[in-house]
Amino acid sequence: EDQVTQSPEALRLQEGESSSLNCSYTVSGLRGLFWYRQDPGKGPEFLFTLYSAGEEKEKERLKATLTKKESFLHITAPKPEDSATYLCAVEDSSASKIIFGSGTRLSIRP
Amino acid sequence: DTGVSQDPRHKITKRGQNVTFRCDPISEHNRLYWYRQTLGQGPEFLTYFQNEAQLEKSRLLSDRFSAERPKGSFSTLEIQRTEQGDSAMYLCASSEGANIEQFFGPGTRLTVL
Repeated sequence: EDQVTQSPEALRLQEGESSSLNCSYTVSGLRGLFWYRQDPGKGPEFLFTLYSAGEEKEKERLKATLTKKESFLHITAPKPEDSATYLCAVEDSSASKIIFGSGTRLSIRP
Repeated sequence: DTGVSQDPRHKITKRGQNVTFRCDPISEHNRLYWYRQTLGQGPEFLTYFQNEAQLEKSRLLSDRFSAERPKGSFSTLEIQRTEQGDSAMYLCASSEGANIEQFFGPGTRLTVL
């Protein structure tokens, strides 16, 4: 059964303190791995899609990487406005639905 | 293009009442998805339409839940005889053609008293 596990559940950083969020996944065949950002009371905002091991994508202070078993979201020199819940999700090649992890709540202190 | 829209944004109802939510996808997106999200959890898949055809339903979707997408445009999600356990954020997403990225709306927050 497809499964997505994110760690840590919560992460508090000082402004400028770089770190990484982890997403471990199990699928029979990966069609794509997604990262979303979600602010309280709002819908998830699309960030990245990764399709195959070794792929990397960047957007501002965020960089997503993918291996055959996990993905990392690296955040470099974060700012308070980067505070949000970051969700990882996968789509199995045999299905059209996305399976989400529970997310990592990121808090950046000024 | 204003993105995926959902209406209402908030709904408070009493247990046993019926509620209906509406989702307008991004124009020309032929796929539309419904998810449910509870506090501290990621969204859970409920159902999926390609154009007007409902192609997949989750086992989470009990007989009290029904979704439609007439004419392949907007979609409605109806919950009959609401229960307190139905309280959640209901999210709609859409995607286009062969692209697998799903774009989400702001959600409808349902509170069942």
